[in-house]
Amino acid sequence: AQSVTQLDSQVPVFEEAPVELRCNYSSSVSVYLFWYVQYPNQGLQLLLKYLSGSTLVESINGFEAEFNKSQTSFHLRKPSVHISDTAEYFCAVSDPGVNDMRFGAGTRLTVKP
Amino acid sequence: DTEVTQTPKHLVMGMTNKKSLKCEQHMGHRAMYWYKQKAKKPPELMFVYSYEKLSINESVPSRFSPECPNSSLLNLHLHALQPEDSALYLCASSSAFTTGELFFGEGSRLTVL
Repeated sequence: AQSVTQLDSQVPVFEEAPVELRCNYSSSVSVYLFWYVQYPNQGLQLLLKYLSGSTLVESINGFEAEFNKSQTSFHLRKPSVHISDTAEYFCAVSDPGVNDMRFGAGTRLTVKP
Repeated sequence: DTEVTQTPKHLVMGMTNKKSLKCEQHMGHRAMYWYKQKAKKPPELMFVYSYEKLSINESVPSRFSPECPNSSLLNLHLHALQPEDSALYLCASSSAFTTGELFFGEGSRLTVL
């Protein structure tokens, strides 16, 4: 099964600053990649996904992630964060056609005023 | 509002009790999942049902018994649990073998005394 590594367990930033949350996955073969966000005491919500095609994917709330096959990375970025972006962010990977999504350890993003 | 509904939201049980967690979705998804999430940890895959058949069992102890009565329902039967089984149990569903994207419920928080 695939695996992902999130390089930062906690990322504190000030409001309106840019942020990057890093994610590397284990294999260079075909994969599906995802970023999920989890607010306290809630389930996980899909932020964005890469299945194929354009390597840059965007979410409706300003986040974007770039699939880099040579570096096996799928880092999440936002040019200007808000207090409301404070949450736990999980990178996830699955094999196409196999229902076995695996999550990274998570990155706690804390946005300070 | 989430389209995956989990009940109960909170459950407290003793080590000799028998209880069940329930999950329901009406999105026509044919794959359903149970994940276990400990505090400040990522979700860990427990079971996957595909077309009402158990397709993945991640070596989960037999005190956890999954059941998929039909394509919309998923149960997790609990018996003789240990305090270390206390966690957030997340149900998810996906359109099998297509995008791999999971839709999560808000979870059932289980406390074993």
